[in-house]
Amino acid sequence: QVQLVQSGAEVKKPGASVKVSCKASGYTFTGYYVHWLRQAPGQGLEWMGWINPNSGGTNYAQKFQGRVTMTRDTSISTAYMELSRLRSDDTAVYYCARDRIFGVVTPNWFDPWGQGTLVTVSS
Amino acid sequence: EIVLTQSPATLSLSPGERATLSCRASQDVSSYLAWYQQKPGQAPRLLIYDASNRATGIPARFSGSGSGTDFTLTISSLEPEDFAVYYCQQRSNRFTFGQGTRLEIK
Repeated sequence: QVQLVQSGAEVKKPGASVKVSCKASGYTFTGYYVHWLRQAPGQGLEWMGWINPNSGGTNYAQKFQGRVTMTRDTSISTAYMELSRLRSDDTAVYYCARDRIFGVVTPNWFDPWGQGTLVTVSS
Repeated sequence: EIVLTQSPATLSLSPGERATLSCRASQDVSSYLAWYQQKPGQAPRLLIYDASNRATGIPARFSGSGSGTDFTLTISSLEPEDFAVYYCQQRSNRFTFGQGTRLEIK
């Protein structure tokens, strides 16, 4: 079955960087966009950007431009999201999610999702 | 940025009752709207996409309607496992979510 398994929880100091991984299985990794989203404690959902695993192309939300980098390693079907210059308000659960449809030109809906990775930023 | 406003913030109902959740967009999103369900400690799950299409494996008691700026998620007869937070999301212009509606047991 389709599965996205994310790396474990992280604790970082302000100003540091964090890199979260998302390993895909059960489908053709290069055929679907991978999105990254986050959810601060007790808050709603926020889209951060996507990566096209086939081309490596990316599209970031304006809020994260300059601080986020999304990459992939097709040999191990894994996507990565690195967020730099961390602040306390970056404390959140970070999710990867696959796009719903194979091979689309325009990213679609988020289905399914990884289990989430808690990133805590604290001095 | 397209702002999605969900109402009510909290909905208190009993199992077996009908639930109606609303989502209003700040501008026309056509039918580019989805609904997600999130239970405590879990990732969100796609329920409805393109305003009215059920995702794979979603029970028929969940239905979506609307287009343009006004959308509705209806749960025809609530099951105990349906009590959760529901988010709407648009993909007409980038991706944004509503703030969520908490569906709680009365």
